[in-house]
Amino acid sequence: DGGITQSPKYLFRKEGQNVTLSCEQNLNHDAMYWYRQDPGQGLRLIYYSQIVNDFQKGDIAEGYSVSREKKESFPLTVTSAQKNPTAFYLCASSIGLYETSTDTQYFGPGTRLTVL
Amino acid sequence: GDSVTQMEGPVTLSEEAFLTINCTYTATGYPSLFWYVQYPGEGLQLLLKATKADDKGSNKGFEATYRKETTSFHLEKGSVQVSDSAVYFCALINNDMRFGAGTRLTVKP
Repeated sequence: DGGITQSPKYLFRKEGQNVTLSCEQNLNHDAMYWYRQDPGQGLRLIYYSQIVNDFQKGDIAEGYSVSREKKESFPLTVTSAQKNPTAFYLCASSIGLYETSTDTQYFGPGTRLTVL
Repeated sequence: GDSVTQMEGPVTLSEEAFLTINCTYTATGYPSLFWYVQYPGEGLQLLLKATKADDKGSNKGFEATYRKETTSFHLEKGSVQVSDSAVYFCALINNDMRFGAGTRLTVKP
């Protein structure tokens, strides 16, 4: 079955540590996205990538970094510079950037990060 | 910039009640509009969409009509079920993608 996987589902981190969240898709999608979800605030875009080896900052990129070395993979690193990292993180992908002609964005199941 | 505003929740209904979740948007040009649903502990799933004015999106008994004159895309369902309990997000794609804050729906038996 095609889809998006995120791991781990739950992640705990001590303050001052960097942590990397995994996102893998086998949908052959060019575009991938990372969102942060906080209660009552909807989804906010952290980073997005239109194609391999290219990525752009979203609305709240500070304290985060990404890489896109393979089409299938778009890992997100939450660095110690992120002041309030506890949140639910969602990865998504689409055939093209902000595609509207198909089923738009497919979302992974999410990773809940808690900073202790 | 573009934005989406949806009614605040939570919304609590009894089974078989009529559901309306309001959504309005601000955008230049002609955005595409979407409703996504998020079940507990999961990612978002596309529920329905409309890509031009007066289009009606529908799926699983849910409907929403793209009203450009009122810049709205309200979600409706005639008879909700307990299994419809989830968080519903209105969203638009124009130059980028914007989500509303989400509305939590709880349906009681």
